[in-house]
Amino acid sequence: DTAVSQTPKYLVTQMGNDKSIKCEQNLGHDTMYWYKQDSKKFLKIMFSYNNKELIINETVPNRFSPKSPDKAHLNLHINSLELGDSAVYFCASSQSEGVIGELFFGEGSRLTVL
Amino acid sequence: AQSVTQPDIHITVSEGASLELRCNYSYGATPYLFWYVQSPGQGLQLLLKYFSGDTLVQGIKGFEAEFKRSQSSFNLRKPSVHWSDAAEYFCAVGTFRTGFQKLVFGTGTRLLVSP
Repeated sequence: DTAVSQTPKYLVTQMGNDKSIKCEQNLGHDTMYWYKQDSKKFLKIMFSYNNKELIINETVPNRFSPKSPDKAHLNLHINSLELGDSAVYFCASSQSEGVIGELFFGEGSRLTVL
Repeated sequence: AQSVTQPDIHITVSEGASLELRCNYSYGATPYLFWYVQSPGQGLQLLLKYFSGDTLVQGIKGFEAEFKRSQSSFNLRKPSVHWSDAAEYFCAVGTFRTGFQKLVFGTGTRLLVSP
């Protein structure tokens, strides 16, 4: 079983569209994250949720709206897609009372905006 | 604010040779430091971490890293590289409070292994 799974793995869409990426973890962790990796491989945190509550929002545009229906899921919805949104988006999870720094990452969702 | 610098964008090493990947950090307090590896098409996997204590830390897959406060460095080493080590390596510094962990990553170093 995949510990952190993201769908879809690849997403190609036109500018202006709205799209969602889903993430699920089966590790029993209470904290989940979205990271964005740009074309130069730079990884930057976007959001963090702990027990379904937003903890970190790193000045991400309002077009990005995360939703955590329960602590095992963290979905990312993006409105009005722009060319600059093209990137690989990684979901990750950790346990707040567990091993510090051990984030478990999904395999990434590559978004291409045309 | 924390930051991490990985000065080498890519490094090529012969199989069986030793490896050292450089990482410098900027952080006001005692840092939590990490090395992650990303294989092609995969997510990131934790190799090792440093919080305190012994400045030489051992990780998985035969990797080790040494924390040097005086140089603000946390370089990753491996005595003998295998072809399967070819991947992207990320150094990170972490901030932790109750309920969340925030990692700031460097820009990564791509390791190429030649036969």
